[in-house]
Amino acid sequence: DVKVTQSSRYLVKRTGEKVFLECVQDMDHENMFWYRQDPGLGLRLIYFSYDVKMKEKGDIPEGYSVSREKKERFSLILESASTNQTSMYLCASARGREGEQFFGPGTRLTVL
Amino acid sequence: GQNIDQPTEMTATEGAIVQINCTYQTSGFNGLFWYQQHAGEAPTFLSYNVLDGLEEKGRFSSFLSRSKGYSYLLLKELQMKDSASYLCAVLPAGTALIFGKGTTLSVSS
Repeated sequence: DVKVTQSSRYLVKRTGEKVFLECVQDMDHENMFWYRQDPGLGLRLIYFSYDVKMKEKGDIPEGYSVSREKKERFSLILESASTNQTSMYLCASARGREGEQFFGPGTRLTVL
Repeated sequence: GQNIDQPTEMTATEGAIVQINCTYQTSGFNGLFWYQQHAGEAPTFLSYNVLDGLEEKGRFSSFLSRSKGYSYLLLKELQMKDSASYLCAVLPAGTALIFGKGTTLSVSS
């Protein structure tokens, strides 16, 4: 059974804190993605990665960075959290660019 | 630019048929996906179309017309559990999947 896991379901952080969101997949997928989902705005791509140590900016990369040191793990980093980064964060993985994406359960992040 | 449009909300009754439309304008086209997302949960894959025509999978079918930049998801014999958001997503050339804002479907008895 395919699985994408995220480190936390709920997270509360203070403005200015550095925040790490971890995502792990056990399907040996090459491609991994980070999205945020906000009411009325849908799913928006932050960063994606097609291979280890490789990253590409999505539609809204400002304020975020990523790390992919191992094939199964893709981390999203908020260098200095701000209140406008309060959102649901979803990680996904896919085999190949045309492959269906499998999503993790999401992390609801609140920045106070 | 890249754009995907789908209705924001739809309502239907149990047992009915509903069609959720999606129109898109993208730079190149490498396929169209439909995902289902229940409230508070992650999206799950429903269908993938890359060639024109209808793909049927049980109560759900998805149609694609590449020349018209148009797709629809057809849900038959609606059940209460079909109440969810339905996301249309297009894979353009050279970049990652782009999602529409989703259509929230409410099924009533």
